[in-house]
This record gives sequence, C-alpha cells and structure tokens, in this order.
Amino acid sequence: DAGVTQSPTHLIKTRGQHVTLRCSPISGHKSVSWYQQVLGQGPQFIFQYYEKEERGRGNFPDRFSARQFPNYSSELNVNALLLGDSALYLCASSAGQGRNTEAFFGQGTRLTVV
Amino acid sequence: QKEVEQNSGPLSVPEGAIASLNCTYSDRGSQSFFWYRQYSGKSPELIMSIYSNGDKEDGRFTAQLNKASQYVSLLIRDSQPSDSATYLCAVNLWDYKLSFGAGTTVTVRA
Repeated sequence: DAGVTQSPTHLIKTRGQHVTLRCSPISGHKSVSWYQQVLGQGPQFIFQYYEKEERGRGNFPDRFSARQFPNYSSELNVNALLLGDSALYLCASSAGQGRNTEAFFGQGTRLTVV
Repeated sequence: QKEVEQNSGPLSVPEGAIASLNCTYSDRGSQSFFWYRQYSGKSPELIMSIYSNGDKEDGRFTAQLNKASQYVSLLIRDSQPSDSATYLCAVNLWDYKLSFGAGTTVTVRA
C-alpha cells in the first residue's frame, strides 16, 4: 500500500505569492493533519480535517487555509507568503480521530520563500 | 511552560550502548504518547506509541510512561550507527492535535 504522498517535494516562491500544497492520505484513512516544521524545532500543528470537516486549527494566521476533498485528499493554501513561512510542511494521515490514533507523515514539502 | 519538553542533547553514545531519551509534558490530561524518528532532511517516522503507565518494548526500543510524573522516555538498546537521528516526543492533546518537543539528536559513534 502507498503511504502518505505529498506534492510537490520542493518549492521556491517569492514573498507575497500564494502556494498550494497537496496531500493524499493512506488508503482508508479519513483524517489529514498539517504541520509546519522549521529547522531545529518540532512540527507545529496547523490544521486537522476529519471526514471533510475542520476539527482543529493551530495558532497560525488567516493566511493559512486548508480543505479536504471527498476522496480524503487535502490541500493547504498559504497566501501572501512571508520569508518566515519557509519551512518543511508535513501532512499526517490517521485512520480516525481520537487520542489513541497513530499519525503517519508524508515525505513533506520543503517551501523556500525568497 | 512548553507543552512538551525534551532533553536538549545532542546525545552521543558508543555503538552497542543504551541511549536514553527523556520527555516531560504539561497537560495532566494527556492520554497518548508517541516517539518519532527523523533522519536529517527527512520526515518524522513513527517508531513507538504508548498509552498506559509502564513499559512497552518493540525490538531494541522500549518506551516508558509515568503519568503521575508526566514523564515519558525512550530507551534504544544496542545502539547502531543507523539509529543516529533526531527523536521527537509527541503528545496527543484535545483529540486532534499532536504537540511535539523540539527533539533530541542522537549520534551513535562506531
């Protein structure tokens, strides 16, 4: 079975531009979460979607938005990019929602804002 | 206070030794705990999950949980050079969010 797939793997954008990152979860998984990881830190939670509904949002500005599609894939959108948005963006796939649910990460999208 | 804190490292151990990684968390209501391994330039890989007080063993890895002390640890026995990585402790908060520590970098020297 394929794991979590993210696209693109690398991206370079200019300040002020918009970016869309994509994620396909593990087959059968209905939950997708997005995390941002900057160098030297642990991943920071951005969003969780379960059954196409937003179930949680982290402490990120409104420039960040996401959605989940009927096939459970997901997009993360970031508007008006800032230099500080440069990071590894991780998508995590879970079978369901709940405290004892394991999350599996994709390979990530490395975003560089110049 | 940070939600999850890990010993800062880096941790250098000789090949064949035991590497001991520690993690504390602030939310007493936390119920599930995870250890991820992250190689340089790669994404985190789940290696252990633990939900009950006590020890859980999987191969060379042992996770230990003490909810009263709000403490979780990971032991890596018979450390190998391939274990050289950053280890992230994660705590599940509010049913939908994983909160991560900053990670501990382990180097296993031959």
